[in-house]
Amino acid sequence: GAVVSQHPSRVICKSGTSVKIECRSLDFQATTMFWYRQFPKKSLMLMATSNEGSKATYEQGVEKDKFLINHASLTLSTLTVTSAHPEDSSFYICSAATSGYNEQFFGPGTRLTVL
Amino acid sequence: AQRVTQPEKLLSVFKGAPVELKCNYSYSGSPELFWYVQYSRQRLQLLLRHISRESIKGFTADLNKGETSFHLKKPFAQEEDSAMYYCAPATWSYGGATNKLIFGTGTLLAVQP
Repeated sequence: GAVVSQHPSRVICKSGTSVKIECRSLDFQATTMFWYRQFPKKSLMLMATSNEGSKATYEQGVEKDKFLINHASLTLSTLTVTSAHPEDSSFYICSAATSGYNEQFFGPGTRLTVL
Repeated sequence: AQRVTQPEKLLSVFKGAPVELKCNYSYSGSPELFWYVQYSRQRLQLLLRHISRESIKGFTADLNKGETSFHLKKPFAQEEDSAMYYCAPATWSYGGATNKLIFGTGTLLAVQP
């Protein structure tokens, strides 16, 4: 149980376009989803915390207008990278958790390459 | 600010040798601490959490509040233990129903045959 999926697994886009990444909890209801960014050979950097039905809470230094997060249901959160630029190229990982439990279940990640 | 430090980027040991992956944290209050592991080409997964005081795959970790440490240990390393290990304290998330994790920089454990 506790499986989290991400779609797509890889995406290549042109500079200036927007890209949407989906994160789904497949067999449980996720009251909270988290979005991370991982640079090569670096740790995970938390970008934002997303609670179902409310606005996401962004970490310091993360542009909320650049990285739009929507958590419309208990099983789906989306991250949209707007007007992507090459410096946005990275590995984006989501995780999901149930209210009151601090264990997070991680998705497989999405590799974004902006040309 | 909450911080977690994993001083070793790489730890290389031989099979059968003891392993200790260091983790130090700075945190106000009573933290809940986790170790997550990422095997090659796999997603991040929970290895163990301090409140359950369990042993997973032979690994244990004791929370030392005096030293603010949560080192991960295994008496006899196996080749399949080779992976990236992250120490992560859970810290309160404003408006969140679940605390957020702050990940350390990770330690790559390489177990040689």
